[in-house]
Amino acid sequence: NAGVTQTPKFRVLKTGQSMTLLCAQDMNHEYMYWYRQDPGMGLRLIHYSVGEGTTAKGEVPDGYNVSRLKKQNFLLGLESAAPSQTSVYFCATKEGTGKNNEQFFGPGTRLTVL
Amino acid sequence: GQNIDQPTEMTATEGAIVQINCTYQTSGFNGLFWYQQHAGEAPTFLSYNVLDGLEEKGRFSSFLSRSKGYSYLLLKELQMKDSASYLCAVPSGGYQKVTFGTGTKLQVIP
Repeated sequence: NAGVTQTPKFRVLKTGQSMTLLCAQDMNHEYMYWYRQDPGMGLRLIHYSVGEGTTAKGEVPDGYNVSRLKKQNFLLGLESAAPSQTSVYFCATKEGTGKNNEQFFGPGTRLTVL
Repeated sequence: GQNIDQPTEMTATEGAIVQINCTYQTSGFNGLFWYQQHAGEAPTFLSYNVLDGLEEKGRFSSFLSRSKGYSYLLLKELQMKDSASYLCAVPSGGYQKVTFGTGTKLQVIP
């Protein structure tokens, strides 16, 4: 079992370029999340999904879009990258609405926007 | 909404005990998580508390007081590999989401 994987691991973009980050899971979890982590800011939720075909905004959704066409995949898109989007991006999954269900994180994608 | 407060950094000596505190304010309490995150790696789950009291799990214990909006993570017999950030988190949105604190960076020194 691979658990939660993220593609790519590293990426450098120029301002205005677009890209898609892929999160894949083989745990059959319903919930999936995209976070960004910046020094001193902690983990902040960008978007999340409670099941295939659903998406919802988190705390910092501006400048990002997401799609969950298949249960096992959650895509995060940057249409026009900005230097403020330089960050480490983590995907996470959760089994369901059980109150003690912990989140399982992918290894992260380190994105630099020049 | 949720508001979580943790110390930014702590230093402790190998073999010692350290307590990492977390205070929170939530509109409705649905438990509290602790995660560990080593530098350059992803967070991993440590514990979940929903009832008051201390829960022990090996060298790590987690305490919760709902009336005080307070939790702590207790690490005993510190090892160098315990150097990491420790994140306090509370569920929100009916367990759909989790709000994380900014984390406490623990440095264990010889």
